[in-house]
Amino acid sequence: DSGVTQTPKHLITATGQRVTLRCSPRSGDLSVYWYQQSLDQGLQFLIQYYNGEERAKGNILERFSAQQFPDLHSELNLSSLELGDSALYFCASSVAPVDRGEAFFGQGTRLTVV
Amino acid sequence: DQQVKQNSPSLSVQEGRISILNCDYTNSMFDYFLWYKKYPAEGPTFLISISSIKDKNEDGRFTVFLNKSAKHLSLHIVPSQPGDSAVYFCAASVQHSGAGSYQLTFGKGTKLSVIP
Repeated sequence: DSGVTQTPKHLITATGQRVTLRCSPRSGDLSVYWYQQSLDQGLQFLIQYYNGEERAKGNILERFSAQQFPDLHSELNLSSLELGDSALYFCASSVAPVDRGEAFFGQGTRLTVV
Repeated sequence: DQQVKQNSPSLSVQEGRISILNCDYTNSMFDYFLWYKKYPAEGPTFLISISSIKDKNEDGRFTVFLNKSAKHLSLHIVPSQPGDSAVYFCAASVQHSGAGSYQLTFGKGTKLSVIP
């Protein structure tokens, strides 16, 4: 158990809909990262937050947004969903913003868009 | 454009033998490299890392080698055990445009099967 909690574990929704994925980081971790893993693809970095502020942005679509709340949990919002958004979405956390990637990952949320 | 490539989708090795997983990268700005291991239905777990100023880092049965001139790194597992069967992701890091922020670029992974 990495200590990072993601909910829900599975989500099935229709095209055009909006969903929210939730992540609770490890106790004490201030940085949260979101990754997308599509079929046969590596993990694609989406966005990073540190202590409530956006710190880095990767290949995140404009239809996607995220935020980190004062209690440090984070939410990833996906809207106007398309079939191609079906993927595993991972959240990871680390103590500091300057870590070199040695983050702790949650079990992921599997999103299926039908 | 795949900046981090793991060209072998799968690898089978006999228990007790050496497993060698390979990774190539194209971005010369990468300065830190990591290997993650992933079991089914779990998130990736950090395994071992290496800075670009080194060419080898060892941690128990796991050793990572870095050849900067060839833009190549490899993970050696000796001896391989059935519990090592998992998907291994190579990742590379470069400081993001924001100060103190690093972005990881992952390969697609290699599925290692260690046969008893």
